[in-house]
Amino acid sequence: EAQLLQSGGGLIQPGGSLRLSCTASGFIFSSYIVSWVRQAPGKGLEWVATVSSSGDSTYYADSVKGRFTVSRDNSEKILYLRMNSLRAEDTAVYYCAKSEYSFGSYNWFDPWGQGSLVTVSS
Amino acid sequence: QSVLTQPPSVSGAPGQRVTISCTGSSSNIGAGYAVHWYQHLPGKAPKLLIYADTNRPSGVPDRFSGSRSGTSASLAITGLQADDEADYSCQSYDTSLSGYVFGIGTKVTVL
Repeated sequence: EAQLLQSGGGLIQPGGSLRLSCTASGFIFSSYIVSWVRQAPGKGLEWVATVSSSGDSTYYADSVKGRFTVSRDNSEKILYLRMNSLRAEDTAVYYCAKSEYSFGSYNWFDPWGQGSLVTVSS
Repeated sequence: QSVLTQPPSVSGAPGQRVTISCTGSSSNIGAGYAVHWYQHLPGKAPKLLIYADTNRPSGVPDRFSGSRSGTSASLAITGLQADDEADYSCQSYDTSLSGYVFGIGTKVTVL
C-alpha cells in the first residue's frame, strides 16, 4: 500500500525559511510525480508545486513561484519543499501527494500525507 | 476565491440522496479536463473518492458517484450515513493557470 509520511513544519517568523519532507513507501517512488497541496485556515485546498518523476521538471502555483522550491531524492524516496520568504498568507496545513501520470490534465492526488502545519507569525 | 465553485454546505437526513455541484469554466472543466473528488475529515488527510469524473477507487462504496456535463461536475451520495459528514472538494486542471485547481469544499451535514 502506497504511503506518504511527512515531517517538518512549525512556527516561523515572516521572511523566514522552512523545509518540509515527505517520505514514501509502498510504491516505486522514482516512477511517479509528487506534489504539495496546502489548505489555509478556513480556505479550500490549493495546489502548490509538483516535481516530475526524475526531478528534472518542476511546476509551481503563481502564489509561491520564486519563493518555494520542490525537489526530490529518489534514492532516499523523499520529497522536499523548501519555503523561503515566508508570509502570513503561507500559513496552512501542507500535504504531499502522489499522482499517477505526468504533470498535466488528467491527474488526481492519491494517496496524501498526513499533513504538516506551517504557521507564519511574529 | 477558488477557480471551481462549490456550494458551501449541503445537508440531508440519513438514507437520503444529496448532490454537490462543482462549476468551472472553459479553461478547466469546460475544456474537457477530468474532475476528481476528495473527502476531507478535520485533522485527517484528504481521501480520493472519485477520479476521472466517474471512477471509484477500490474500497469506496458505490453510494458515491460522479458525473459531469459542460462546465460542471457533480458528486452524488445516496443512502446518506452519519459518517459521511465531511468536507468534499472537487479538483481539475486549468490550462490558463497551467496548474491544478480545487473547489473551496462543501460541508455535508447529516441531519
